[in-house]
Amino acid sequence: DTEVTQTPKHLVMGMTNKKSLKCEQHMGHRAMYWYKQKAKKPPELMFVYSYEKLSINESVPSRFSPECPNSSLLNLHLHALQPEDSALYLCASSQGSRDREIAKNIQYFGAGTRLSVL
Amino acid sequence: KQEVTQIPAALSVPEGENLVLNCSFTDSAIYNLQWFRQDPGKGLTSLLLIQSSQREQTSGRLNASLDKSSGRSTLYIAASQPGDSATYLCAAFPYNQGGKLIFGQGTELSVKP
Repeated sequence: DTEVTQTPKHLVMGMTNKKSLKCEQHMGHRAMYWYKQKAKKPPELMFVYSYEKLSINESVPSRFSPECPNSSLLNLHLHALQPEDSALYLCASSQGSRDREIAKNIQYFGAGTRLSVL
Repeated sequence: KQEVTQIPAALSVPEGENLVLNCSFTDSAIYNLQWFRQDPGKGLTSLLLIQSSQREQTSGRLNASLDKSSGRSTLYIAASQPGDSATYLCAAFPYNQGGKLIFGQGTELSVKP
């Protein structure tokens, strides 16, 4: 099973709402990632968790708050978003046992959550 | 700083044609290079990963090559089919950029019946 499951598939929220995106994998992977993708553009890395600890934050605004409650689950909490935050949010995971070994492993992506901020 | 470029940005071919997608990168200090497929509005599907010590990888009708000295990778698709229509992204994993994949802009492929 190489599946990364993201919920919800679609989300519409107002600028004052608080919502969360969820990502789950059961492959025993210890590295998990959040990406943001705008139309016709490649994915942009937002956060990396390695062994449930935040290892990379690509200077993402604080209105995006990641959380990794356990090795299988990754959340992205959203608050006071702007219309320009509308995008496809992708989660990925890889085997990654240590920082350098992350590089040796394939990243498996979920289907994404299509977010619209009104 | 690593930069990845994909040419062409879009490609349209008739069904059955063999085709090559190109990916170039500026810094040869990479752990690996990965090719992905993305269907419209969907996530990324990993097609092939080539470690820095390897020259090529094959999966079915797909063959990816890596030439670190020239900073190039190619994805060869044999006997293309309409179902191959998608955007193809390559991503380099460099030594010195904090463990992040560096993506190209992608090639949008359309295979006409």
